[in-house]
Amino acid sequence: DVKVTQSSRYLVKRTGEKVFLECVQDMDHENMFWYRQDPGLGLRLIYFSYDVKMKEKGDIPEGYSVSREKKERFSLILESASTNQTSMYLCASLRTSSTGELFFGEGSRLTVL
Amino acid sequence: DQQVKQNSPSLSVQEGRISILNCDYTNSMFDYFLWYKKYPAEGPTFLISISSIKDKNEDGRFTVFLNKSAKHLSLHIVPSQPGDSAVYFCAAYTWGGNKLTFGTGTQLKVEL
Repeated sequence: DVKVTQSSRYLVKRTGEKVFLECVQDMDHENMFWYRQDPGLGLRLIYFSYDVKMKEKGDIPEGYSVSREKKERFSLILESASTNQTSMYLCASLRTSSTGELFFGEGSRLTVL
Repeated sequence: DQQVKQNSPSLSVQEGRISILNCDYTNSMFDYFLWYKKYPAEGPTFLISISSIKDKNEDGRFTVFLNKSAKHLSLHIVPSQPGDSAVYFCAAYTWGGNKLTFGTGTQLKVEL
């Protein structure tokens, strides 16, 4: 059974704290993604990676960075959390040259106080 | 520029009736269209997809229709059940590419 695992389901952080969200996939997919979901705004792409150590900005990269040191692991970093980064964060993976089926993790609900 | 649009943010349907969720796109280069379902506090799950060379794909209660000339697709759920209440996202993918383009989602509520 294919799996994308996100390290934390729920986090509460204070403004200015550094936040790490970890994601691991076991499908040997080349591509990994971080989205955030907010009511009425759909799924917005923050960053994606198409290979180890490679990354590309998505639609809303400001305030975020990412790291992909191993193929199976993709981390999202909030250097200095702010209240407007309170959201549901979703990690996903995709095999290149597939039919487009993206596999999502369970999500991480981050609250910044 | 939004290449995939879901113009109805919400839809309410009675149990047992048909639910029709709509999606429009602008890029004729998309090869696959997908529908995802999302419950609160969970990640989206893949529901059904269709290749751009087809006009219909069916899986149980779910059918997706594609009208390429109108650049429009729709998801039909028959009969609708309370467990279908969720947010539905339409997405599009170009083969060989490395990302999907999502619509903003439609909240479906199936009432008893």
